[in-house]
Amino acid sequence: GQNIDQPTEMTATEGAIVQINCTYQTSGFNGLFWYQQHAGEAPTFLSYNVLDGLEEKGRFSSFLSRSKGYSYLLLKELQMKDSASYLCAQTGGSYIPTFGRGTSLIVHP
Amino acid sequence: DAGVIQSPRHEVTEMGQEVTLRCKPISGHNSLFWYRQTMMRGLELLIYFNNNVPIDDSGMPEDRFSAKMPNASFSTLKIQPSEPRDSAVYFCASSQIQGARTDTQYFGPGTRLTVL
Repeated sequence: GQNIDQPTEMTATEGAIVQINCTYQTSGFNGLFWYQQHAGEAPTFLSYNVLDGLEEKGRFSSFLSRSKGYSYLLLKELQMKDSASYLCAQTGGSYIPTFGRGTSLIVHP
Repeated sequence: DAGVIQSPRHEVTEMGQEVTLRCKPISGHNSLFWYRQTMMRGLELLIYFNNNVPIDDSGMPEDRFSAKMPNASFSTLKIQPSEPRDSAVYFCASSQIQGARTDTQYFGPGTRLTVL
């Protein structure tokens, strides 16, 4: 994950909107995954972006800018259960994801 | 489908002992991945198999680590001898990779390894 950069920790209030950013190395880039991982559990798939733009899936949306090497995950109407680690992962020529270290999101009342 | 199955879920062992972690991928998936997760280094790919053949083992830390996939439904990751710095959560994941297309990885529940 040395080529992927995302904030270590973020906090937000229940009901609010939060944006988790991820920057990555553009050389050889193919696509960008977002995974959610609750404490003590396995990562679970949220989204996969290949093309530029915003993809919406319920309360969660993911954005990609290939030219800028930038992605974000947008969480709306935050709930307490959204407290988790959010992992950004890029795929390159090998099509095997390389993960960032994750952003720990804490949602408080 | 039962998802990816890993055993054991927790393992506590003493330094120098052999540790074997087991994984059963999702039926029909042709690719299997072993990851290690720690607070310091995050989620690291150790090795991945495609159609039971090891494709990339560059992430395997050293000769103490070995992995096998004797058939499409079973893989093992072995550490011999184990050391305290091997303490981590080890995840197995599987996916279906067709040509140049990347597919979603499905992770098992992980094995939490503690080496004393």
